[in-house]
Amino acid sequence: GDSVTQMEGPVTLSEEACLTINCTYTATGYPSLFWYVQYPGEGLQLLLKATKADDKGSNKGFEATYRKETTSFHLEKGSVQVSDSAVYFCALSTGGGNKLTFGTGTQLKVEL
Amino acid sequence: EAGVVQSPRYKIIEKKQPVAFWCNPISGHNTLYWYRQNLGQGPELLIRYENEEAVDDSQLPKDRFSAERLKGVDSTLKIQPAELGDSAVYLCASSFDRHNGYTFGSGTRLTVV
Repeated sequence: GDSVTQMEGPVTLSEEACLTINCTYTATGYPSLFWYVQYPGEGLQLLLKATKADDKGSNKGFEATYRKETTSFHLEKGSVQVSDSAVYFCALSTGGGNKLTFGTGTQLKVEL
Repeated sequence: EAGVVQSPRYKIIEKKQPVAFWCNPISGHNTLYWYRQNLGQGPELLIRYENEEAVDDSQLPKDRFSAERLKGVDSTLKIQPAELGDSAVYLCASSFDRHNGYTFGSGTRLTVV
């Protein structure tokens, strides 16, 4: 079945540091890929998405590239801020079922 | 545009009691989902509706969980009776199509004591 594997957290960075959160997937067919962010006490918000190979999703300074050859969708940001502290979830959707399969999430803590 | 609205935000109940959660999806989103998120984990699908039809409920514990989506709009998820292990955040989401992702509500945090 479909699955998503994310790097374990928490990831602790200083403000303005570079961020990479690794995400790899296993899926049948050609999935759409997503990153969601969950701030403390809130629901999940769509951060960015990519629907086909080599697509780059970007939003709020974050970006991720759909790499079919390595089945990866790593999340990157060049300079993190304290306000980026949250839990980040990688997810995929395949076929016509519209079902999202999530990774376990990676907590990011950004300190001054 | 109003987002996905869920209520209540928090619920504390004793084990063996019933509980219900309500969700109002985004207007025009025919697909509605209920997910359960355990502490420190990613959300897991409980049930998916296409309009008023439940098309994927394979992960719904049917001995105690039930759901309905009358008229293909609002939905209610019910647990009866609740167990300690049901403590989690219950998330509702809706979507127009799979390529655009979902919009999630803020969730209902259930604590069973």
